[in-house]
Amino acid sequence: SQQGEEDPQALSIQEGENATMNCSYKTSINNLQWYRQNSGRGLVHLILIRSNEREKHSGRLRVTLDTSKKSSSLLITASRAADTASYFCATVRMGTGTASKLTFGTGTRLQVTL
Amino acid sequence: SAVISQKPSRDICQRGTSLTIQCQVDSQVTMMFWYRQQPGQSLTLIATANQGSEATYESGFVIDKFPISRPNLTFSTLTVSNMSPEDSSIYLCSVELGQGFGNTEAFFGQGTRLTVV
Repeated sequence: SQQGEEDPQALSIQEGENATMNCSYKTSINNLQWYRQNSGRGLVHLILIRSNEREKHSGRLRVTLDTSKKSSSLLITASRAADTASYFCATVRMGTGTASKLTFGTGTRLQVTL
Repeated sequence: SAVISQKPSRDICQRGTSLTIQCQVDSQVTMMFWYRQQPGQSLTLIATANQGSEATYESGFVIDKFPISRPNLTFSTLTVSNMSPEDSSIYLCSVELGQGFGNTEAFFGQGTRLTVV
């Protein structure tokens, strides 16, 4: 399967703490993206990191990419209750031609409590 | 950005029937994507729909079960045919702006939560 693996599967933290989620994948990629999904609804794009980038920031989000280990991490700093959601990594393979296909990881369910 | 209207948002259907899900985008897009998310699982791509051509299905998905229409650059439908309880899932449509080479973010509809009884 081309699907990525994420760990942990579930994470429970208190508000104000940092949350780190990890994603591993199997093939060479063009880029890796992180998405958030609230309660089985649509996905919202968080950040895209290209294969030639090692780190990217967006507000309270920090994403790293290690192509030699085929892994990425998402760090959410100073978490809030509103960050409670499922987080998915998604990869776009190299050489996908005209149709880009996102391959999603298994997801991490984050619970932020007050 | 793109705003996607997907409907119905949820439905409960009898086994053996069919349901058509609609996806409307507020801008013209080259490719639209249909995903399935089984309960507690990740997203799996069903097919890619280009305007004016047959949809391209992923392994494990066939046109007879999931026929797709793409009549113009802003609209697509996915039909789940001859449903069984195993088809109970969230179905999501997605688009990418530009040429869809995976170099930009994808936008998703709010999903259709289907329960087959």
